[in-house]
Amino acid sequence: DVKVTQSSRYLVKRTGEKVFLECVQDMDHENMFWYRQDPGLGLRLIYFSYDVKMKEKGDIPEGYSVSREKKERFSLILESASTNQTSMYLCASSWTSGRMTGELFFGEGSRLTVL
Amino acid sequence: KQEVTQIPAALSVPEGENLVLNCSFTDSAIYNLQWFRQDPGKGLTSLLLIQSSQREQTSGRLNASLDKSSGRSTLYIAASQPGDSATYLCAVRPVGNNNAGNMLTFGGGTRLMVKP
Repeated sequence: DVKVTQSSRYLVKRTGEKVFLECVQDMDHENMFWYRQDPGLGLRLIYFSYDVKMKEKGDIPEGYSVSREKKERFSLILESASTNQTSMYLCASSWTSGRMTGELFFGEGSRLTVL
Repeated sequence: KQEVTQIPAALSVPEGENLVLNCSFTDSAIYNLQWFRQDPGKGLTSLLLIQSSQREQTSGRLNASLDKSSGRSTLYIAASQPGDSATYLCAVRPVGNNNAGNMLTFGGGTRLMVKP
């Protein structure tokens, strides 16, 4: 079974802190994604990566950065956390081969509260 | 821009009933469509993936259909059980270059409650 593991299920941080959310997948997938999910707004893509050291902005990249130094690991960084970044963060991965892309697999989510 | 709509937003049914969840999308140029289940406070679990060339996919009591020309997909759940209670989301992947093709558009989900 594909496993996408997010390092923290629950985090509480203070405004202005730097926050790291880590995600690891064990299926050698090329693509990795970070979404946030908020009531009434659904799932919104923050960033995705289709290869090591490669990244693309999603719909709401402001206030976030990402890092992908190894194929299996994709990190989301909040440089200076703000209260409006309180949310559920979801990591996902999928494979790509040529022009084909497989299904998306998600981690369990990280609930971040910024005070 | 692709828009994905799921109606109704919430649905309550008695146990044992067969039910259909709907997913509509505005741009028929899709690569595939995926159905997910999400339990409260958890991540999304993949249920079924339908490629654009397919009409339906089945897994156990679940059957998903795809009609690209009309911009619709349905998820049929047979003999519903209380354990099926969850939010069900659909997502479409557009046809395009590889990077754009990775960007799924999600529907808002249907919250299903199956009462014993």
